[in-house]
Amino acid sequence: GNSVTQMEGPVTLSEEAFLTINCTYTATGYPSLFWYVQYPGEGLQLLLKATKADDKGSNKGFEATYRKETTSFHLEKGSVQVSDSAVYFCALSEGNQGGKLIFGQGTELSVKP
Amino acid sequence: EPEVTQTPSHQVTQMGQEVILRCVPISNHLYFYWYRQILGQKVEFLVSFYNNEISEKSEIFDDQFSVERPDGSNFTLKIRSTKLEDSAMYFCASMLGLSYEQYFGPGTRLTVT
Repeated sequence: GNSVTQMEGPVTLSEEAFLTINCTYTATGYPSLFWYVQYPGEGLQLLLKATKADDKGSNKGFEATYRKETTSFHLEKGSVQVSDSAVYFCALSEGNQGGKLIFGQGTELSVKP
Repeated sequence: EPEVTQTPSHQVTQMGQEVILRCVPISNHLYFYWYRQILGQKVEFLVSFYNNEISEKSEIFDDQFSVERPDGSNFTLKIRSTKLEDSAMYFCASMLGLSYEQYFGPGTRLTVT
């Protein structure tokens, strides 16, 4: 079945450091890919998405490129801020499955000043 | 900005008791979902609901679980006879259409003792 694997956390970085959170997926068809973020005490919020191969999703300085050849959707940010501290979830959705999301295990990011 | 709300934020119940978790999706959304996250594990899909019926359910969603949209605004998840392993964070989500973003509520933490 479909699945998503993320790098394990927690990840601790200093402010202005470069961030990469790895995400790979297994899918039978052509899924859409997502990154969700969960700030403390809040629900999951969509950070960015890509719906087809080679698409790049971007938002708030975060980027991820849909790589079909490596089945990956790694999240990157050039310079993290303390306010980026949160849990990040990679997810996929198959278009013919009613929109359900399949999530990775989440990666906790902690950014220190 | 419209948001998905969930009540209660934390529910403690004894094993064998029935619980109802409540969600108010965004008003013009058509697709509704429940997910759960056991502490330290992945966010898992439970059930999707569209056009007043279940469109898909996972293996987790057995006969002990049911969902209802009783009045056109609330969307509830009922667990008939709770087990210790039902302890988790339960997230409700809603979506306008299949090409749109899922919006998540802040979650209900269910603790079964």
